[in-house]
Amino acid sequence: DIVLTQTPLSSPVTPGQSASISCRSSQSLVHSDGNTYLNWLQQRPGQPPRLLIYEISKRFSGVPDRFSGSGAGTDFTLKISRVEAEDVGVYYCMQVTQLLTFGGGTKVEIK
Amino acid sequence: ELQLVESGGGLVQPGGSLRLSCTASGFTLSSYWMSWVRQAPGKGLERVANMKEDGSEKYYVDSVKGRFTISRDNAKNSMYLEMNSLRAEDTAVYYCVSHGGAWGQGTLVTVSS
Repeated sequence: DIVLTQTPLSSPVTPGQSASISCRSSQSLVHSDGNTYLNWLQQRPGQPPRLLIYEISKRFSGVPDRFSGSGAGTDFTLKISRVEAEDVGVYYCMQVTQLLTFGGGTKVEIK
Repeated sequence: ELQLVESGGGLVQPGGSLRLSCTASGFTLSSYWMSWVRQAPGKGLERVANMKEDGSEKYYVDSVKGRFTISRDNAKNSMYLEMNSLRAEDTAVYYCVSHGGAWGQGTLVTVSS
């Protein structure tokens, strides 16, 4: 199975500042069709996960443009600009290039 | 709106069985790879089982092989997870997930005597 390693485990952020989360894959996530199926999820406390970003950098419907994704191959980043209180939660990277695996999660909290 | 709704969770004794259901609305479930994902209390997300769009390929995490079966009924736009020989470590919220991006709200499975 593909292993996804997220860092940091926790990210205390001042409202209005930015947060970055890294996701590193044990192997390239480029699919045979040429696409890279690396997604980012947000899980607010007590809620199910929801899709924020798909295929590295495409925002899912209704996701604010404060969320952006970047990267290629095996290294990917989620950036949250101008962090708001509602952004508190755990963020997961997820790959569906080969079956499905998740990173361990990064907890974003407000300082 | 893309929506997935799970049902069938509950409290079951060790060694018992449950059948989870997932019904899609707003999209055709058979257009996507589908998965069951679980989250134990206070833990991260774990893949349980996956199924290709046409149902021709099915994959399971090692810990549930031989005990769980994933299936779908395209006429009902639904997917299922048959869970047998349940163990305490299977206790979790189970989510239905479309590889097209939709997640269900989850259904809680508790295995306890």
